[in-house]
Amino acid sequence: EPEVTQTPSHQVTQMGQEVILRCVPISNHLYFYWYRQILGQKVEFLVSFYNNEISEKSEIFDDQFSVERPDGSNFTLKIRSTKLEDSAMYFCASIGENTGELFFGEGSRLTVL
Amino acid sequence: QKEVEQDPGPLSVPEGAIVSLNCTYSNSAFQYFMWYRQYSRKGPELLMYTYSSGNKEDGRFTAQVDKSSKYISLFIRDSQPSDSATYLCAMSANSGGYQKVTFGTGTKLQVIP
Repeated sequence: EPEVTQTPSHQVTQMGQEVILRCVPISNHLYFYWYRQILGQKVEFLVSFYNNEISEKSEIFDDQFSVERPDGSNFTLKIRSTKLEDSAMYFCASIGENTGELFFGEGSRLTVL
Repeated sequence: QKEVEQDPGPLSVPEGAIVSLNCTYSNSAFQYFMWYRQYSRKGPELLMYTYSSGNKEDGRFTAQVDKSSKYISLFIRDSQPSDSATYLCAMSANSGGYQKVTFGTGTKLQVIP
């Protein structure tokens, strides 16, 4: 069964460092999303991406965050200068055409020290 | 009023019980309705997906959508300790050409052996 894959599964970084989280959405999917979940809290929407541009972003997604789909298969989330409060699980998700089924990856755990 | 309301629980039931999880919503534009199961430190797993009002059954799980009342439910029959997880409802609508997905806050379920 097709799945969304994310790398790395866990990354530890120092505050102020740049981090790139990578995702390979399901092939032929058109809509791409990043969500964040701080331990013990709810899943929070960060950004959606369609047709090579951001469709919508939340107030969490400030200038420190950016997304890119560099080569038609990968979908990346970059955090320019990490803060302690960026420590969370980051989930990538995607939706295909003419459907609303949203499929999630297993997540990348980010720990900022 | 939030777009999607879901009781956070926690909900504790004995093994074998029938579990009923519910969400209400206010946006009549929602077209697709989903239920996810999330184990601790894992990505949300799509359990059930429905497009219209009515019931959909898959094994021990039944999803019910009542668009007229803006109410969706997930029933779990013969609940097992392995069903202990957080259950998230989600709904999506086409918004300016992309699928906007809105989540409930999640209900934490514990099935006691």
